[in-house]
Amino acid sequence: DSGVTQTPKHLITATGQRVTLRCSPRSGDLSVYWYQQSLDQGLQFLIQYYNGEERAKGNILERFSAQQFPDLHSELNLSSLELGDSALYFCASSPRLANEQYFGPGTRLTVT
Amino acid sequence: DAKTTQPTSMDCAEGRAANLPCNHSTISGNEYVYWYRQIHSQGPQYIIHGLKNNETNEMASLIITEDRKSSTLILPHATLRDTAVYYCIVRAVRAFGQGTRLTINP
Repeated sequence: DSGVTQTPKHLITATGQRVTLRCSPRSGDLSVYWYQQSLDQGLQFLIQYYNGEERAKGNILERFSAQQFPDLHSELNLSSLELGDSALYFCASSPRLANEQYFGPGTRLTVT
Repeated sequence: DAKTTQPTSMDCAEGRAANLPCNHSTISGNEYVYWYRQIHSQGPQYIIHGLKNNETNEMASLIITEDRKSSTLILPHATLRDTAVYYCIVRAVRAFGQGTRLTINP
């Protein structure tokens, strides 16, 4: 158990819909990262937050957005969902900006 | 971000040492090398990291060459539960690449 929690574990929704994925980092960790992993693909970095502020952006679509709240939990919002958005979405946290990351168990999103 | 190159797949017999290589020839002087692994579809697990010196923890050892252009992750006594995809990353965030799929055979 890494100490990072993600909810929900599974999510099934239809094309065009909007969903919110939630992440609670390890106690004391200030940095949160979001990754997408499609079937048999590597981890694609989406975005990083540090202490509430966006610090780095990866291959995140305009239909996706994220934020980190004052209590340091983070949410990833995915809108106008397409079939290709079906994937595992992982959240990770680290104590500071550039340290080892501890990953949550992921949210499996299925868009039908 | 510095790019890393790893073999696509490797096999190792149970009980033997598994040695996973990684090339990172464009690494900068202050960039660390990190190793993670992912078992099936679980969240990736941090294993170890290092800058210049060799490192060891309860999971593995990391050997970094003197010129820092390559490194080797060593699992000293591999078990079936070590079957996973192993990622070598330079710099703490982002590019995980495709990693090495390590299969431990009984």
